[in-house]
Amino acid sequence: GAGVSQTPSNKVTEKGKYVELRCDPISGHTALYWYRQSLGQGPEFLIYFQGTGAADDSGLPNDRFFAVRPEGSVSTLKIQRTERGDSAVYLCASSLTYRRNTGELFFGEGSRLTVL
Amino acid sequence: GQQVMQIPQYQHVQEGEDFTTYCNSSTTLSNIQWYKQRPGGHPVFLIQLVKSGEVKKQKRLTFQFGEAKKNSSLHITATQTTDVGTYFCAGITNAGGTSYGKLTFGQGTILTVHP
Repeated sequence: GAGVSQTPSNKVTEKGKYVELRCDPISGHTALYWYRQSLGQGPEFLIYFQGTGAADDSGLPNDRFFAVRPEGSVSTLKIQRTERGDSAVYLCASSLTYRRNTGELFFGEGSRLTVL
Repeated sequence: GQQVMQIPQYQHVQEGEDFTTYCNSSTTLSNIQWYKQRPGGHPVFLIQLVKSGEVKKQKRLTFQFGEAKKNSSLHITATQTTDVGTYFCAGITNAGGTSYGKLTFGQGTILTVHP
């Protein structure tokens, strides 16, 4: 596809369960970002990948959150022992980043996570 | 850590009126981006400003980056109903080299336009 693809679009889970959210970036985009957006707020940075490695994971709220990008393309955000406060829309974005210049971010439609 | 503040939080205008949203950073930015998010949608890139004092125009939209690279504004002339949405600024601080991909978003300004 032409855009950033995120699955699932909606996920309802129970407190304490494990959740995986998947992001398929635009082909050729080396940079991939995860953001979290709560209602009425701006996107909150979680983690940024350049290729396969996490260049900056300073936004991950605690060790229940983990993200991988093993082949430098698709990424998975993993949340263990979910809590009600984890409920939000999780946005993935990708960009062409060249010579340390952050390019335009292309966002996916997001995965809406609801923890009951 | 870096904070990016936007005002106002809400703006209601009559169609044809002008609109401005302001963005202020607690730290000097290397560059700033602006995004628009329609209700129920995802953020869509509008523009990136890099140079101190830079002004860029896109049709009815004018973007400015402050001389000190700590503030920015977006001005829309003669709003239309299609301008409805939330406008976000997102700042980048080149601290240490590896964090150039980390955009810190403001909380956004929600614009409603009454026909």
